[in-house]
Amino acid sequence: DTAVSQTPKYLVTQMGNDKSIKCEQNLGHDTMYWYKQDSKKFLKIMFSYNNKELIINETVPNRFSPKSPDKAHLNLHINSLELGDSAVYFCASSPRGSYNSPLHFGNGTRLTVT
Amino acid sequence: AQKITQTQPGMFVQEKEAVTLDCTYDTSDPSYGLFWYKQPSSGEMIFLIYQGSYDQQNATEGRYSLNFQKARKSANLVISASQLGDSAMYFCAMREGANSKLTFGKGITLSVRP
Repeated sequence: DTAVSQTPKYLVTQMGNDKSIKCEQNLGHDTMYWYKQDSKKFLKIMFSYNNKELIINETVPNRFSPKSPDKAHLNLHINSLELGDSAVYFCASSPRGSYNSPLHFGNGTRLTVT
Repeated sequence: AQKITQTQPGMFVQEKEAVTLDCTYDTSDPSYGLFWYKQPSSGEMIFLIYQGSYDQQNATEGRYSLNFQKARKSANLVISASQLGDSAMYFCAMREGANSKLTFGKGITLSVRP
């Protein structure tokens, strides 16, 4: 029954590795997002997809590549992981084009790069 | 310029008392939405309350109410009858226009004392 689910919940890996985080929503929303929460708890948007089309790409290193196979899924692949990538990554979804709709967040993936 | 400003340091409140968490925002878009989220120590992002720019009345959701002062560009969250479970980080956020991202403030930590 989870509305926005992301896996894994924890990810510990070494520098230089490649990893992926998966996200799925069952709310029927058209728009999905990836946010990064840093060690100071600041939340910053990384990407947004609207019905599989990239609509927001916020100056994220191109080591980060989102992929949306369909509007219910938005995965995040990270190449050549760096120490500074350690953070909590949140997936979220909302109805399309609605400034009056909240984003529904997944429970987050805590990525630790050693 | 920051879109969302939360300047209070950590806040403390006695159980059963009311507390106000401050938020000011900056936008030139006439259509926008203001949101408050709660992030407990377990890490999930919980949507609390929404206020639209065209709403004439302040939003309320149970013990949460939003003190919306449009001319001052403030959207303060009021939590009545605080409970120990209200101890968490609280984020104010805004969406502007259509197909828009949610922009967060830096958050406020609230601690409820028994």
